[in-house]
Amino acid sequence: AAGVIQSPRHLIKEKRETATLKCYPIPRHDTVYWYQQGPGQDPQFLISFYEKMQSDKGSIPDRFSAQQFSDYHSELNMSSLELGDSALYFCASSRGYRSGANVLTFGAGSRLTVL
Amino acid sequence: AQTVTQSQPEMSVQEAETVTLSCTYDTSESDYYLFWYKQPPSRQMILVIRQEAYKQQNATENRFSVNFQKAAKSFSLKISDSQLGDAAMYFCAYRSDEAGGTSYGKLTFGQGTILTVHP
Repeated sequence: AAGVIQSPRHLIKEKRETATLKCYPIPRHDTVYWYQQGPGQDPQFLISFYEKMQSDKGSIPDRFSAQQFSDYHSELNMSSLELGDSALYFCASSRGYRSGANVLTFGAGSRLTVL
Repeated sequence: AQTVTQSQPEMSVQEAETVTLSCTYDTSESDYYLFWYKQPPSRQMILVIRQEAYKQQNATENRFSVNFQKAAKSFSLKISDSQLGDAAMYFCAYRSDEAGGTSYGKLTFGQGTILTVHP
């Protein structure tokens, strides 16, 4: 079965640079979620999109922005990178947003290292 | 806001034995879902089991079962006949099913429990 695809899997950037992470949800999934997991920490919710509109916003820095495109893939843009942005970034998708019954399926994550 | 607490940073178990991981949560909502996710060294987040709050019957998936105590806001995971492949970080997670709730549509995770399985 198709899974959630994230790219790139690994990314190394310098401070103050910009990074873009991409997420391709499972076919027919219309909702995408972004999570950030720092070393030894639990995943923290950043932002979500349902039918290409922002549906919820968590602890996402103002330096970060995201969107969901017409083909339902999503991109997380991170600018003015800081050392503290080094983390594993997960994307998850689900079909439908208005029911807690919809299970989130996670991608393998994109590991960002900021030097 | 909802909170999820896993009070056991680390647990260990002998292969073929049974282990129980604890999770408590705080919410004022009545409609929600609870999940256990497994994160092996590959860091992939894998769904282990799901429990609907409105169901009194505890969920079971093969060797994995939960003890859901709604009044006590407790949601523990029991792993029977532990295998080496069960070694991972386990996260308990909460998801609201009430529109307008602060956790509606998204998962709130606990701090995680590292499970070690000894051969």
